[in-house]
Amino acid sequence: DTGVSQNPRHKITKRGQNVTFRCDPISEHNRLYWYRQTLGQGPEFLTYFQNEAQLEKSRLLSDRFSAERPKGSFSTLEIQRTEQGDSAMYLCASSLDGRYNEQFFGPGTRLTVL
Amino acid sequence: QKEVEQNSGPLSVPEGAIASLNCTYSDRGSQSFFWYRQYSGKSPELIMSIYSNGDKEDGRFTAQLNKASQYVSLLIRDSQPSDSATYLCAVNDYKLSFGAGTTVTVRA
Repeated sequence: DTGVSQNPRHKITKRGQNVTFRCDPISEHNRLYWYRQTLGQGPEFLTYFQNEAQLEKSRLLSDRFSAERPKGSFSTLEIQRTEQGDSAMYLCASSLDGRYNEQFFGPGTRLTVL
Repeated sequence: QKEVEQNSGPLSVPEGAIASLNCTYSDRGSQSFFWYRQYSGKSPELIMSIYSNGDKEDGRFTAQLNKASQYVSLLIRDSQPSDSATYLCAVNDYKLSFGAGTTVTVRA
């Protein structure tokens, strides 16, 4: 399967703990995006990379959220000092560069903060 | 005003009927538009993309775009129970802005 992969698929943590999620994009895609989706809503954009450069991060929800893509391949999203409001599905998508860049999503990581 | 708005659901249609989904967007400069299908508990799956005014057909799906009216629609012909899902309209401006989705139920 050459689609976008995400790990872990599920994460249960206690409030105040740090969590890290990984995303592996489609191999030839140079853009990688992170979104968050809560129940009954469409995905909400968080940040994106073109190769290893993080081009937009102002939509990250707070300074507890950070993302990296150190070698322009896989990416990680870290949430520090988790809160119950962080419980959501975290989605990664990738695309080629271009004007009409179709974005393809991974299966997501479902985070539950107790 | 939300950036992307979809007609509120849920939408229930009998098997074999046409399901019609509507979406409006606020940024007049938007150039590309997508429809995603999302089954319960799963991630969004891209089913249609449209960039030019008019209709685009792919199998049982037809997307329609009217940039002057800032309106995008999706028609599902010959609806099947497997089409029961939430359909998300997305407007692309390097990032995707999504509507809240319309849940479709196809009754056998």
